[in-house]
Amino acid sequence: GAVVSQHPSWVICKSGTSVKIECRSLDFQATTMFWYRQFPKQSLMLMATSNEGSKATYEQGVEKDKFLINHASLTLSTLTVTSAHPEDSSFYICSARGPGQGPYEQYFGPGTRLTVT
Amino acid sequence: SQQGEEDPQALSIQEGENATMNCSYKTSINNLQWYRQNSGRGLVHLILIRSNEREKHSGRLRVTLDTSKKSSSLLITASRAADTASYFCATDHGQNFVFGPGTRLSVLP
Repeated sequence: GAVVSQHPSWVICKSGTSVKIECRSLDFQATTMFWYRQFPKQSLMLMATSNEGSKATYEQGVEKDKFLINHASLTLSTLTVTSAHPEDSSFYICSARGPGQGPYEQYFGPGTRLTVT
Repeated sequence: SQQGEEDPQALSIQEGENATMNCSYKTSINNLQWYRQNSGRGLVHLILIRSNEREKHSGRLRVTLDTSKKSSSLLITASRAADTASYFCATDHGQNFVFGPGTRLSVLP
């Protein structure tokens, strides 16, 4: 149980375009979802936390107008990178937590590799 | 910054040897977790140790936690080539995790 999927697993887009990444909890209801980004050979950095039905809370330094997060249902959150630039190229990982799960429980998706050309 | 630090940043050992990775953090925690990440893949949860625990075992893994020194170590015994991956500690500060920079482990056959 507690499986989280991401789609797509990798995407290439042109500079200036927008790209949407989906994060789904397959067998549990995710009341909270987290979005991380990871640059090559670096650690994961939390970008934002989203609770179902509420606006996402962004970490300091993360542009909310550039990284649009929607958590409209208990099984789906989306991250849209708007007007992508090459510096947005990164590995994006989501994680999810359900009701009744402790604050330390997060189930991670397999990640999405974004390359902006 | 709450972010912890891990050392070594990279570790290369022979198959069968033990691998030890360390993680330090700066502020008090509720618990600490270790994750493995194969290249270009998602995270695999390895083990959780709570702030009131000092040592925990899981198979070939042994984790220690010293809250007075704000540090933790992950020991992998009898390493295998399949253990080659990056290992991250993540500290729980309440609502979210803070990941350390990770240790890249290479186990040579």
